[in-house]
Amino acid sequence: DTGVSQNPRHKITKRGQNVTFRCDPISEHNRLYWYRQTLGQGPEFLTYFQNEAQLEKSRLLSDRFSAERPKGSFSTLEIQRTEQGDSAMYLCARAPGELFFGEGSRLTVL
Amino acid sequence: AQRVTQPEKLLSVFKGAPVELKCNYSYSGSPELFWYVQYSRQRLQLLLRHISRESIKGFTADLNKGETSFHLKKPFAQEEDSAMYYCALETSGSRLTFGEGTQLTVNP
Repeated sequence: DTGVSQNPRHKITKRGQNVTFRCDPISEHNRLYWYRQTLGQGPEFLTYFQNEAQLEKSRLLSDRFSAERPKGSFSTLEIQRTEQGDSAMYLCARAPGELFFGEGSRLTVL
Repeated sequence: AQRVTQPEKLLSVFKGAPVELKCNYSYSGSPELFWYVQYSRQRLQLLLRHISRESIKGFTADLNKGETSFHLKKPFAQEEDSAMYYCALETSGSRLTFGEGTQLTVNP
């Protein structure tokens, strides 16, 4: 039980396709975060939710990216018209308490 | 703007030797600092936070505001300590800014 479940674990797609990742906190936590991690870099903040409200978005989150948390529980991160530069590990984390990360969803854009 | 710097991408030591992973930060507010660790094929997990001032798995880290550093130390490294270590700075809304990480290898 990792506390955060992410699906799919790995997605391979062609450039220009849309992809969606899902994050399910195992128990209810009011804050949920999305980070992105590229090879050789630390995780970079993308956005976070307090319940269903999206409170902050990084400038890394271009208009091709959209995140939702419709009922304040699970969250989705959609990337439209994927580009090769979107290839990365997308991490979800929940709070309060320590920031507890899921195992991530790896995106490979061909 | 906040920034976290980990100057060493790779660090290799022998089992039983002391290890120090360096972390420097830049932040105008009162810093809350963390060390996260990622073992091979496992999720990123919290190792320790400066406010708790505790030792986890033999690791300690002291916040030095004068030098804006938060170095991670262990007196006797073990092979199971081999992992990727990230220093992180908390800013608003529990948002973390991470360093680029240091890959620690402990050789037998």
